[in-house]
Amino acid sequence: SYELTQPPSVSVSPGQTASITCSGENLGRKNVCWLQQKPGQSPVLVIHQNTKRPSGIPERFSGSNSGTTATLTISGTQVLDEADYYCQTWDSSAYIFGPGTKVTV
Amino acid sequence: QVQLVESGGGVVQPGTSLRLSCAASGFTFRNFGMHWVRQAPGKGLEWVAVISYDGSNRYYSDSVKGRFTISRDNSKDTLFLQMSRLGLEDTALYYCTKDSYSDRGGYPFADWGQGTLVTVSS
Repeated sequence: SYELTQPPSVSVSPGQTASITCSGENLGRKNVCWLQQKPGQSPVLVIHQNTKRPSGIPERFSGSNSGTTATLTISGTQVLDEADYYCQTWDSSAYIFGPGTKVTV
Repeated sequence: QVQLVESGGGVVQPGTSLRLSCAASGFTFRNFGMHWVRQAPGKGLEWVAVISYDGSNRYYSDSVKGRFTISRDNSKDTLFLQMSRLGLEDTALYYCTKDSYSDRGGYPFADWGQGTLVTVSS
């Protein structure tokens, strides 16, 4: 079955850029979305279809996807961006989540 | 605005059944695919099932296939998850979540409910 790999944790200083990777076989040929989840809250979609931001999501969130790796980039990271981040894709009629990356600011 | 309100969770014994509901409002329910996603305590997100806007297509994760059934009532703007033969591994917070559309087509997980907790325990 298809699997996605994410680093367990990423640490970033306020104002710096955080990059969270998500790897999978031929992932660049698939659509990827990214979800943010803060403790005790429901997930929030921050990027869909590889690069698109839903309305209300700050411009500092951006996404890319090529080859075998998708990347969520948070530019000018703020303390309020501290959360778990999950990548997600679709394969063989199943929706697959990555294991999640804890971002510490 | 979009509202998804799950209900039906509780504490049940292994081997029993439970039905979850998700009441939708703030959008035209019959136009969107819907999913159930669960999260075990302290763990990551796990997709459970999806149903197309009209109920004609349904897909399940391998972990629930044959035990869970997703359905919807478009006349009542409600999504369901019938769970049977529950095991300890099914203990989780169950979220209802909807698809959306952009100029590039449909995409999942645009909006989420607050979840309903299912605890399977003897």
